[in-house]
Amino acid sequence: SFDLTQPPSVSVSPGQTATITCAGYNLGDKFACWYQQKPGQSPVLVIYQDNKRPSGIPERFSGSNSGNTATLTISGTQTVDEAVYYCQAWDSTSVFGGGTKLTVL
Amino acid sequence: QVQLQESGPGLVNPSETLSLTCTVSGGSVSSYYWSWIRQSPGKGLEWIGYIFSSGYTNYNPSLKSRVTMSVDASKTQFSLKLTSVTAADSAIYYCARDRVGTNYGGMDVWGQGTTVTVSS
Repeated sequence: SFDLTQPPSVSVSPGQTATITCAGYNLGDKFACWYQQKPGQSPVLVIYQDNKRPSGIPERFSGSNSGNTATLTISGTQTVDEAVYYCQAWDSTSVFGGGTKLTVL
Repeated sequence: QVQLQESGPGLVNPSETLSLTCTVSGGSVSSYYWSWIRQSPGKGLEWIGYIFSSGYTNYNPSLKSRVTMSVDASKTQFSLKLTSVTAADSAIYYCARDRVGTNYGGMDVWGQGTTVTVSS
């Protein structure tokens, strides 16, 4: 299997752009997904196949994946976006990153 | 709209077997992969494994020796058994629909989760 590494925390001011990274060996050769989890709630898929948004996910969420790093970008971050974000990739088994707490203040 | 609901005992004795069921409503278990994921208190997500509607399974290597998954298409349910549990297996257990394949699509539907505590 493989490991995915995320920064424990990221802070951003409302209206600014938040960037959360996910590092893994040759991650760019796999499809990366991102999940948002708010306290007491189940995770929600916000990005799949590196850069696709499921129905209902705001356009301000975008993703990219190349080399050893996948990136989740939230443009015009809102206070409702405050949550823990997990990256995930599948390569015969599924692996999650450790999660990044996004603080909007 | 597909919805998932986990069910099972909230308390399991150490060394015994944890058994959970996930009921699928609003859809069928056929032609999909179904995963179990757990989250220890204050920790991140850990993939336990998945089962395809045909019964094909794939488990996390770190748990493989203790995990068994099964599916009952007639009841639109799938299940998880984890043997020889310890306190380290205490967690919120989620079931999810998993879009496994060449163009992996992520886990797009999740249950609300069920809390399992291992304690005597």
